[in-house]
Amino acid sequence: NAGVTQTPKFQVLKTGQSMTLQCAQDMNHEYMSWYRQDPGMGLRLIHYSVGAGITDQGEVPNGYNVSRSTTEDFPLRLLSAAPSQTSVYFCASSYSGVSGANVLTFGAGSRLTVL
Amino acid sequence: GQNIDQPTEMTATEGAIVQINCTYQTSGFNGLFWYQQHAGEAPTFLSYNVLDGLEEKGRFSSFLSRSKGYSYLLLKELQMKDSASYLCAVRDGDYKLSFGAGTTVTVRA
Repeated sequence: NAGVTQTPKFQVLKTGQSMTLQCAQDMNHEYMSWYRQDPGMGLRLIHYSVGAGITDQGEVPNGYNVSRSTTEDFPLRLLSAAPSQTSVYFCASSYSGVSGANVLTFGAGSRLTVL
Repeated sequence: GQNIDQPTEMTATEGAIVQINCTYQTSGFNGLFWYQQHAGEAPTFLSYNVLDGLEEKGRFSSFLSRSKGYSYLLLKELQMKDSASYLCAVRDGDYKLSFGAGTTVTVRA
């Protein structure tokens, strides 16, 4: 099993450029999410999805778009990159449901630098 | 909103015990998680508590008191490979996890 696969691992953008971070999982997880991690601030939730066709905003959604057309894929789009979006981005997935641990499994991360 | 607090850094000697505290104030509670994250890597799951009490998993134990909004992660017989960040996270509803800023543990020989 590949688990959660993120691409690219590294990316440098200029201010104003757009790009898409890809995320795919092969565990048939209903729940998928995107976090950003900045020094001293921990992981902050950007967007999440509880199933195909359903997405919702997290704590820091501005400047990002998501879609969920299939169970497996959950791409994150930066519409017009800004230096404040320089960060490490993690995609994570789990089974959903109110009972049980439903442990989040993380991808390896994508390090984005916006100049 | 969510407020999850944990110390920024801790240092301990190889073979010793370290306790990482986490306090939380969240709009709801549906489980508390601890993750380990080595530098430059993704977080990996360590433990899960949803009821009060102690959960033990080898050298690692995690404790929860829901009435106090408090948890700790206990690392015993510390090894050099335990040098990492430890993230406390609370699930406040069906799915979403909110994370603390993490505690960096440095193990010295």
